[in-house]
Formats: sequence, C-alpha cells, structure tokens
Amino acid sequence: DADVTQTPRNRITKTGKRIMLECSQTKGHDRMYWYRQDPGLGLRLIYYSFDVKDINKGEISDGYSVSRQAQAKFSLSLESAIPNQTALYFCATETGGGNEQFFGPGTRLTVL
Amino acid sequence: RKEVEQDPGPFNVPEGATVAFNCTYSNSASQSFFWYRQDCRKEPKLLMSVYSSGNEDGRFTAQLNRASQYISLLIRDSKLSDSATYLCVVNQAGTALIFGKGTTLSVSS
Repeated sequence: DADVTQTPRNRITKTGKRIMLECSQTKGHDRMYWYRQDPGLGLRLIYYSFDVKDINKGEISDGYSVSRQAQAKFSLSLESAIPNQTALYFCATETGGGNEQFFGPGTRLTVL
Repeated sequence: RKEVEQDPGPFNVPEGATVAFNCTYSNSASQSFFWYRQDCRKEPKLLMSVYSSGNEDGRFTAQLNRASQYISLLIRDSKLSDSATYLCVVNQAGTALIFGKGTTLSVSS
C-alpha cells in the first residue's frame, strides 16, 4: 500500500461547489503539506501543518482552507470552487528539519 | 527575484550525452538543498540531496556553491529513462521547502 494516499484521484466539479480533497499517510510524519501545480508555474504551497495543532498559510492560500484531523490526515477544502482552481493538487509529508518530502499521487481537479 | 530559479529548458539531448542543470537561490540562510525528479503527471520524488562537499550517485553528481548561492546537477551517459522534469529545492530552518519551477529534460535515441 502507498505511504501517502489522496482521494479522489480525479474530480470534475462546477463553479460554486464545495470540494474536499483528502490526504492520508502511514509514514508517521508530523509535517504535512498541500501544493498545487499548474503548467509553467511549478509547485506552489497552499497550506502546511507541522503538527496536529499547527496550521500555516502558504504562498497561495486564498480560496482554500485545511483541516488536520489527526497526525495521519490533512484535508484541503475549496469552499466555493472557481475555474482558476483547476490544477493538479499534491499532498506531501515530511519528518521535519527540512528533510525529504514524500508526495501522494496527486488529485486532478477540474472546475467548470 | 524568485527564491529558486531554474532554466526551464527543455534540454533535448541524445542518449549518452552529458547534461548539466543549474539553479540559483536568493536566501543565503537556506540550509538544505535537494534535486527532485518528476515524471509527466506523476508526483515528485527525491533524486538526491545536495551537500556542500558535493555528492555523486551513479551517473548523477550534485554540487553546491554557498558563496554564489548556486546548485548544479550533472547527468552523465544520459538514458532514455532520464527524460523527466528536474526540480531544484531549498529549505531554510523552520520553514517549508521551496521548489523551483523545474527543468525539463528529453533524451532521444
């Protein structure tokens, strides 16, 4: 089984809908991250969490919210999806201290 | 100035060629440095960490120049399977990793 899983893997939705992307990990890492990737723009950090009680905004947090339900779970919500949120979304985990990050397989989200 | 800058490429090389990628970073407080590889529509994966003394892993060599705030990745004897996007990544203590936009490599037969 994969160490970092994301659900759903693909999602098509309409403008204005609320969407939740979920991430689970079995690596026992404290740190978790949400990124989005767009062609030509690279990976951009949305939110990150260094432990269950810690939530931090990243570079592009507007229009997004997160919940760290447990050490193993970190969810990303789009309260009212808009077309420019169409992107590939990745969750990642890290032990801490600037070490290697382990990425989930990604969620491809399309907002019509 | 972007925090981590890379030449986006694409670099198109024949099999067996040697290719080098460069990366510059803006924050002198950066402490950890990495190269990640990302295949098309897949998740990024760590290729190698970069140490001040330089390090080598098979056909791959990474170098760090702190004075110039410059990181490089050298790939020798390129294989078709090396075709991917290579991401330069830096970290400052207590903060999240910062990813460059990536350099695309295409190796042809």
